[in-house]
Amino acid sequence: DGGITQSPKYLFRKEGQNVTLSCEQNLNHDAMYWYRQDPGQGLRLIYYSQIVNDFQKGDIAEGYSVSREKKESFPLTVTSAQKNPTAFYLCASRSTGIGTGELFFGEGSRLTVL
Amino acid sequence: GDSVTQMEGPVTLSEEAFLTINCTYTATGYPSLFWYVQYPGEGLQLLLKATKADDKGSNKGFEATYRKETTSFHLEKGSVQVSDSAVYFCAPGYSTLTFGKGTMLLVSP
Repeated sequence: DGGITQSPKYLFRKEGQNVTLSCEQNLNHDAMYWYRQDPGQGLRLIYYSQIVNDFQKGDIAEGYSVSREKKESFPLTVTSAQKNPTAFYLCASRSTGIGTGELFFGEGSRLTVL
Repeated sequence: GDSVTQMEGPVTLSEEAFLTINCTYTATGYPSLFWYVQYPGEGLQLLLKATKADDKGSNKGFEATYRKETTSFHLEKGSVQVSDSAVYFCAPGYSTLTFGKGTMLLVSP
């Protein structure tokens, strides 16, 4: 089945450690996104990529890094510079062709910093 | 930048009640408009969408109409079910979507 796979679903990290969240899609979508979700705050855009080897900062990019070496993959690294990394992280993708631009989401990764 | 205002929740209803969740937005031009639903511990799923003024999106008994004059996209359902309990997000956008804070809906039997 086509879709977006995020891993791991749950992740625990000690303060000062970097951690990488995986996002893979087999929908042949050009654009991919990372959102952060905190209780009562909705979703906030971290980074997005419209094409391989190119990406843009979203509203809350500080303390995060991404890469887009393959169309199917858009990993997110949460660095030790991120002050409050505990959150639910959602990856999404979208076709940039003719259409309504809807996002397709993965199941999310919950990161907890101990 | 774009912004979205959704009514605060939780919205608590009895089964078969009528549902309205208000959504207004500010955006440049005429973005596409979406409603997404999130069940506990899961990602977001597209519920319905509208791409131009006066379009009505509908799915699973939910409806929303693109109102350009009032920049609104209110979600309605005539008769809610317990299984509709979830968090609902309104989102306008073009290449990126701006999400509201979400409205939790709780439906009791």
